Amino acid sequence: GESVGLHLPTLSVQEGDNSIINCAYSNSASDYFIWYKQESGKGPQFIIDIRSNMDKRQGQRVTVLLNKTVKHLSLQIAATQPGDSAVYFCAENLSNQGGKLIFGQGTELSVKP
Amino acid sequence: DVKVTQSSRYLVKRTGEKVFLECVQDMDHENMFWYRQDPGLGLRLIYFSYDVKMKEKGDIPEGYSVSREKKERFSLILESASTNQTSMYLCASSLTASGGPGEQYFGPGTRLTVT
Repeated sequence: GESVGLHLPTLSVQEGDNSIINCAYSNSASDYFIWYKQESGKGPQFIIDIRSNMDKRQGQRVTVLLNKTVKHLSLQIAATQPGDSAVYFCAENLSNQGGKLIFGQGTELSVKP
Repeated sequence: DVKVTQSSRYLVKRTGEKVFLECVQDMDHENMFWYRQDPGLGLRLIYFSYDVKMKEKGDIPEGYSVSREKKERFSLILESASTNQTSMYLCASSLTASGGPGEQYFGPGTRLTVT
């Protein structure tokens, strides 16, 4: 059944510091992973993706690391800015499930000025 | 830029009403999705579609139906709204052919309250 009033994991960082947001995914057959950012009152926005044949992928100020051995995904944000404050979701795609994504619970990032 | 629009940002309906949530995407995407988002539960897939007139159940389809008569439009229908359907509803679309994995583009969401 559903749980009411669950609190999101939160991460609080100082402006300018690096942030690391972690995600444990559920299925070893997942072959594609994606990170989204959701600001208050908006829909999720794409940040970066990675396929299972890679361990690391870099974007502008962001890096995604994939450890398939322990089914772990992380998002690193360099020089975190106040505009990075949001909820961050990881999502996985199962190789036999077409375009469906399975989303994690999300982590709330708060950046202190 | 891909644009996914949803017909309403906020909606208030009474229990038992039939509710239509509309979603339109302007990039000729094959795949469209409807999710609901509740605090602490992340995004849960209600229904999705890989082609016109095609639909597949997601993880929580009970109490919902969908319609995809045109490629750009995907409608979510609450046949008889109930208070436990109060939620944020998010529509998304993606390009990948044959329903393969790829980035999903989201609309701004519709916050539905059922009283």
